[in-house]
Amino acid sequence: DTEVTQTPKHLVMGMTNKKSLKCEQHMGHRAMYWYKQKAKKPPELMFVYSYEKLSINESVPSRFSPECPNSSLLNLHLHALQPEDSALYLCASSQDGSGLGNEQFFGPGTRLTVL
Amino acid sequence: GQSLEQPSEVTAVEGAIVQINCTYQTSGFYGLSWYQQHDGGAPTFLSYNALDGLEETGRFSSFLSRSDSYGYLLLQELQMKDSASYFCAVRDQNTDKLIFGTGTRLQVFP
Repeated sequence: DTEVTQTPKHLVMGMTNKKSLKCEQHMGHRAMYWYKQKAKKPPELMFVYSYEKLSINESVPSRFSPECPNSSLLNLHLHALQPEDSALYLCASSQDGSGLGNEQFFGPGTRLTVL
Repeated sequence: GQSLEQPSEVTAVEGAIVQINCTYQTSGFYGLSWYQQHDGGAPTFLSYNALDGLEETGRFSSFLSRSDSYGYLLLQELQMKDSASYFCAVRDQNTDKLIFGTGTRLQVFP
């Protein structure tokens, strides 16, 4: 299984809602990532989990809260989002967090719209 | 920090060869990667250059010259399905973060 899955594929939420994005991989990868991607722009790193511990938080607002329940799962909890948070949210995984040319495997993303 | 610049758009016809350049300013990185992303899809890994020189994978080749702060992706025998966005990326040696280039949208015409 060389796949990263994400649910839901699409999400529309109001600014007062609470929702969660889910990501799962069964490749035995020990590093998992959340990226945000706006249209026609490159992915921007939000969070990195390495061996189930948060290793990088790119100064993301607290209305985004990541969680890594185990080595296969990664969640992103959303609360009180703003319309400018509308974007494609991508999850990725890699063998580990080291820098030696580690290929990252991306999920299909969740297209989030905040009204 | 890292900065990777790519042309915003490239067009070509089926069967042609196209080169997508990536010029960078960086304080240190492990190697240069390339990712392909179709509209509405996920980025998928294409190639990685740890060392200077050319790496070939089927119709795609990638090149890196650290002395020139430059790399490129070469796509041969273009097919319609190659129409996509292409991103170069480096992993920063200090932070271990994968930094993406500005992206190039390739359009292949019949």
